[in-house]
Amino acid sequence: NAGVTQTPKFRILKIGQSMTLQCTQDMNHNYMYWYRQDPGMGLKLIYYSVGAGITDKGEVPNGYNVSRSTTEDFPLRLELAAPSQTSVYFCASISGFRTGELFFGEGSRLTVL
Amino acid sequence: AQKITQTQPGMFVQEKEAVTLDCTYDTSDQSYGLFWYKQPSSGEMIFLIYQGSYDEQNATEGRYSLNFQKARKSANLVISASQLGDSAMYFCAMREQLSGNTPLVFGKGTRLSVIA
Repeated sequence: NAGVTQTPKFRILKIGQSMTLQCTQDMNHNYMYWYRQDPGMGLKLIYYSVGAGITDKGEVPNGYNVSRSTTEDFPLRLELAAPSQTSVYFCASISGFRTGELFFGEGSRLTVL
Repeated sequence: AQKITQTQPGMFVQEKEAVTLDCTYDTSDQSYGLFWYKQPSSGEMIFLIYQGSYDEQNATEGRYSLNFQKARKSANLVISASQLGDSAMYFCAMREQLSGNTPLVFGKGTRLSVIA
């Protein structure tokens, strides 16, 4: 069972570079999320999507963009990388509400130098 | 204002003893869900337990139980018979408006260290 797959697992960027974190889920989940986790901190929501073609901002969206052209894929784009974006990024999905747990990817560790 | 507050940055517990990790939440919704996740040093997020606001009984999953006190807005995680493998970060999270599409909001976490 693949679940939620994130790539790459590690990446080092120079300031000003751009990159896309890929996220794919094979559980046919409608709801997908991108969180970031700074060292020693909890998870903060960047963007989320409730279905293909629908995205919405979370708590910390500045410096990021997302798209949701299919149910399976929810890529996160960093346009002009800054040191403040050094973090671990988690993609997650859920089938619905109520008792549904969030399924997480393994995380992507991004360092901006 | 913080939606989820975890006041214990770090906790120590002796192996085989029970430990309680605190979580308080803030919401005006009647329908909400509370979750606990474990994050070991390897970094993945592992779902532990769920409590719905309308659930009358406290949730239990093996050695994990949730002490849900609705009036106090607290949802403490109790781990019984601690094991060395329980050493990890633990996050409390909440989803409001269960009939809507609100995402999970997480607390800052508690680092639990189990001592042999």
